[in-house]
Amino acid sequence: SQQGEEDPQALSIQEGENATMNCSYKTSINNLQWYRQNSGRGLVHLILIRSNEREKHSGRLRVTLDTSKKSSSLLITASRAADTASYFCATDFIERPNFGNEKLTFGTGTRLTIIP
Amino acid sequence: EADIYQTPRYLVIGTGKKITLECSQTMGHDKMYWYQQDPGMELHLIHYSYGVNSTEKGDLSSESTVSRIRTEHFPLTLESARPSHTSQYLCASSEFAGNTEAFFGQGTRLTVV
Repeated sequence: SQQGEEDPQALSIQEGENATMNCSYKTSINNLQWYRQNSGRGLVHLILIRSNEREKHSGRLRVTLDTSKKSSSLLITASRAADTASYFCATDFIERPNFGNEKLTFGTGTRLTIIP
Repeated sequence: EADIYQTPRYLVIGTGKKITLECSQTMGHDKMYWYQQDPGMELHLIHYSYGVNSTEKGDLSSESTVSRIRTEHFPLTLESARPSHTSQYLCASSEFAGNTEAFFGQGTRLTVV
């Protein structure tokens, strides 16, 4: 399976602290994406990092990608209660580079709880 | 906010009934996907499509079927619902070009009794 695995499965931190989630995957990818899901609703895209990129920032989010270790991390700085959600990484296969998102497969998710 | 819609949001139906879950997007996206997700669990890809008249099975075997007659519409059908089909079904779409994000609908929570 191409699915990634997030670590930890669940994380609880105090508001204002930083939250770090990790994702590992199995084979070569075109890109890796992070998504957020609130209370079992639809997923919302957070950030995409291409296979030739090592780090990317978006607001309070910082994503790193290590293709040699087949792993990625998502850092949320200065967490807020509204960040409470499940976070998923998703990988896009590299088999047909020009197609993209051919089989966008998701990991197991990290459930993040921010304690006010 | 993404222009992708799923109906119904919630559905409770008896065993053996035929059901169709609707998914429509107004973004002109060629690629569309169906995922199945149990509460608090990972998403499993069950069907995807590259465009009109294209459908592929995903990683998780599913008794459901899909069709793609129009770009904007990607319905999922269960011919005979069973309690094991109880789950949340999420539809998504993305552009055909690589390195683009997927947009998700709000999901259909299906309960088969």
